[in-house]
Amino acid sequence: GAGVSQSPSNKVTEKGKDVELRCDPISGHTALYWYRQRLGQGLEFLIYFQGNSAPDKSGLPSDRFSAERTGESVSTLTIQRTQQEDSAVYLCASSLGARSRNQPQHFGDGTRLSIL
Amino acid sequence: KQEVTQIPAALSVPEGENLVLNCSFTDSAIYNLQWFRQDPGKGLTSLLLIQSSQREQTSGRLNASLDKSSGRSTLYIAASQPGDSATYLCAVRLVNAGGTSYGKLTFGQGTILTVHP
Repeated sequence: GAGVSQSPSNKVTEKGKDVELRCDPISGHTALYWYRQRLGQGLEFLIYFQGNSAPDKSGLPSDRFSAERTGESVSTLTIQRTQQEDSAVYLCASSLGARSRNQPQHFGDGTRLSIL
Repeated sequence: KQEVTQIPAALSVPEGENLVLNCSFTDSAIYNLQWFRQDPGKGLTSLLLIQSSQREQTSGRLNASLDKSSGRSTLYIAASQPGDSATYLCAVRLVNAGGTSYGKLTFGQGTILTVHP
């Protein structure tokens, strides 16, 4: 497809389980971002990848959160030992390049994660 | 730490009205500012991006202005329509010490706009 694709669109899991969320960026986009949107709160930055550079992990809330990206393609966000406060919509975005000031970020529809 | 504030939190207007949404930010060292709309259950759709050297950007019925020195941006929507109903978010991208950009965006809480027929 032409846009950023995320899967699954919804995920319900029990507290303590691990979850893996997937993002397929727009083809050719070298920069990829993960954000979190909790109910009633604004979007929070989690992590971003730019080409082969070391990712900026400064937004990850705890060591239970990690993310990987294979080259300039798909990325996975993993949350281990999920807690109820992890319930949120996880949004992925991509852009042509983080260093280019003219490039907007394009977002997927997100994964709605619910922790029981 | 950059903080982004949007006023009002919610706005309800009749169809056809012109309206203004406000965004303010505390750190004027921004690389650019981007306006998005978000429909319920959906991701964000980019509306306009203003570079730090620009004063405004226009797309159709939308006009966004930027006053970096005062830390403010406005999104003007002309002749509003029910299809404009959505949450509108502004986000800023900061300049780092090296003069390039941190990749991440810092978002405001959004303005929920309802345009009724």
